[in-house]
Amino acid sequence: AQKVTQAQTEISVVEKEDVTLDCVYETRDTTYYLFWYKQPPSGELVFLIRRNSFDEQNEISGRYSWNFQKSTSSFNFTITASQVVDSAVYFCALSGGSSNTGKLIFGQGTTLQVKP
Amino acid sequence: DTGVSQDPRHKITKRGQNVTFRCDPISEHNRLYWYRQTLGQGPEFLTYFQNEAQLEKSRLLSDRFSAERPKGSFSTLEIQRTEQGDSAMYLCASSLSLSTDTQYFGPGTRLTVL
Repeated sequence: AQKVTQAQTEISVVEKEDVTLDCVYETRDTTYYLFWYKQPPSGELVFLIRRNSFDEQNEISGRYSWNFQKSTSSFNFTITASQVVDSAVYFCALSGGSSNTGKLIFGQGTTLQVKP
Repeated sequence: DTGVSQDPRHKITKRGQNVTFRCDPISEHNRLYWYRQTLGQGPEFLTYFQNEAQLEKSRLLSDRFSAERPKGSFSTLEIQRTEQGDSAMYLCASSLSLSTDTQYFGPGTRLTVL
């Protein structure tokens, strides 16, 4: 069975601090995809990144960076110099390659509060 | 290019009533997904369509739920005889054509059953 665990329910930081959101996944598939989505108070899920299981290269996009480690089944997300606008719920999700569905398995989400 | 749209954004209904939600995917997206999200939880998969064909339904989708995508464009999700446990955010997402393509989500329909 596939599973995504986001152990941090809520994180509160002060603006300009760096923050890392943890994501651990379980799957038996050798080919799979990992995602991060942001859900601001408005409710719409906003796509941030997609990673396939064969690409362990870390990625940086502006203040965002992602660390993918197959050895520990983790796909962590770091925000550098956080801003108030980063306040949202962040979801990590998994999609298995053996399934033609493409359905996403989500973690429970981490609520990030950035205080001014 | 416009994103995924959903209508209505909010729906309040009494227990036992029927409700219908609509989702308009991004144009040229062949795949359309429905998810349900309850408070404090991540979205859970309900069903998906490849063009007009409904190819998988979750166990969460009881007999009271039905989804359609008649012409392979917009989709509707109907809940009959609503129960208080149906209160949730119903999210629609679309993607190009492969199971590995990124899904883009709409703003959701928040259902409250009184």
